[in-house]
This record gives sequence, C-alpha cells and structure tokens, in this order.
Amino acid sequence: SAVISQKPSRDICQRGTSLTIQCQVDSQVTMMFWYRQQPGQSLTLIATANQGSEATYESGFVIDKFPISRPNLTFSTLTVSNLSPEDSSIYLCSVEGPPNTEAFFGQGTRLTVV
Amino acid sequence: DAKTTQPPSMDCAEGRAANLPCNHSTISGNEYVYWYRQIHSQGPQYIIHGLKNNETNEMASLIITEDRKSSTLILPHATLRDTAVYYCIVRVGDTGGFKTIFGAGTRLFVKA
Repeated sequence: SAVISQKPSRDICQRGTSLTIQCQVDSQVTMMFWYRQQPGQSLTLIATANQGSEATYESGFVIDKFPISRPNLTFSTLTVSNLSPEDSSIYLCSVEGPPNTEAFFGQGTRLTVV
Repeated sequence: DAKTTQPPSMDCAEGRAANLPCNHSTISGNEYVYWYRQIHSQGPQYIIHGLKNNETNEMASLIITEDRKSSTLILPHATLRDTAVYYCIVRVGDTGGFKTIFGAGTRLFVKA
C-alpha cells in the first residue's frame, strides 16, 4: 500500500491569488494523479504527473491555470492560479499501486476562495 | 476506459445487506471492475475489485455477471458508518499506467 500526505488540508484564499498543494508519497511511484471535486460532485481528473516530463492534462484543464511540478518519484505539487470563487473545491492527489491493485488517495485539500 | 451506470441513491436498513448495482455493458476483456467509496468528502477508499470471478474480502463481496456487463457490490451487514458515495469503476488493471475515472456514483444511506 501507499501512504499519501497532502498539505495543506484546507485553506481560505483571496481571489486573484494562487495556492500550491503538496503531495508526498511514502514510496516511489511512476505516475501521480490530481483530481478536483467540486461541491456535491464526483471526482474529476485534472492531470497526470510523470517524473521528468510535463504533466498530461485532461480536457478542460490547462497548464496556465493548474501548473504541476513532479521533481522526483515521491513528490508533486499542484498550483491553482488566479483563484476565483469557482475554484472552491477539494483537490486530491492519487497514486496507482502495482498492477492488479488499487489506487491510493490523499485526504484532499479543501480550498475556499473568497 | 468503459463507462459505468449506477443508481444515484439507495437506502438500506442497518444490519441488512446493501446490494449496489453497476452496469458496464461496454467493458473490455482486459478491464477490471473496481469499487471505491467516499465518506463525507474524505479521500476515496478502495473496497474490492475483480475481473470475472466473484470476489470477497473483509469489507464486501463483488458479484460479476457471466457476460461481465454488470456487477453488484454487497455489503453483508450494513452499518451507519457505511453511509457514503460508492463508485463503480472499470479500468485496465493488469498493467500499470492507467488512470482512474470516476462516474457519479451511488449515494447509500444506511438508516437505523
């Protein structure tokens, strides 16, 4: 299994600012995933972060708004830029286990934009 | 990844079995059925997964139809703490590098 630590667990930010979320895994993993969960909704995949290459973004998400870093095999950051109230959501990181096992999720970062 | 269809919500009496259905009629031969749940905006929690055989663990049982086009997650003795959103997901499982895509899920209410 993998243990994922996300920081911060929650934050309140002013519109127009940015928030950087950190995700630390207790083992080396090839791929890390970032999700957004808007209030009352399911999880939506933002991007896949690979070490040593640019992140791959899903439709509707762009690098300028959600820049991602992946400096090594145990760590990634997601920045939510130029915040607006519509960005108020829970952001989660996830890693994939070995083949034929499950994915593991952090506990999420609850962002409120005021 | 194949798409899944789940009822938006279900009720279950405490102590009774909760049977959560999932349709995945376009599942491919190398795609597994995974179930996760999310309790009150915590991170999703893995429950169980299977390819074509029925599976059981300490949390639940997974029944997959012979044609693999649908499955049922069974919580044998539901408790109030099982109230959560349950997600049925199909994805390639026997190799790495595949993302997990969530549908809308089923909101299960366990009532005393």
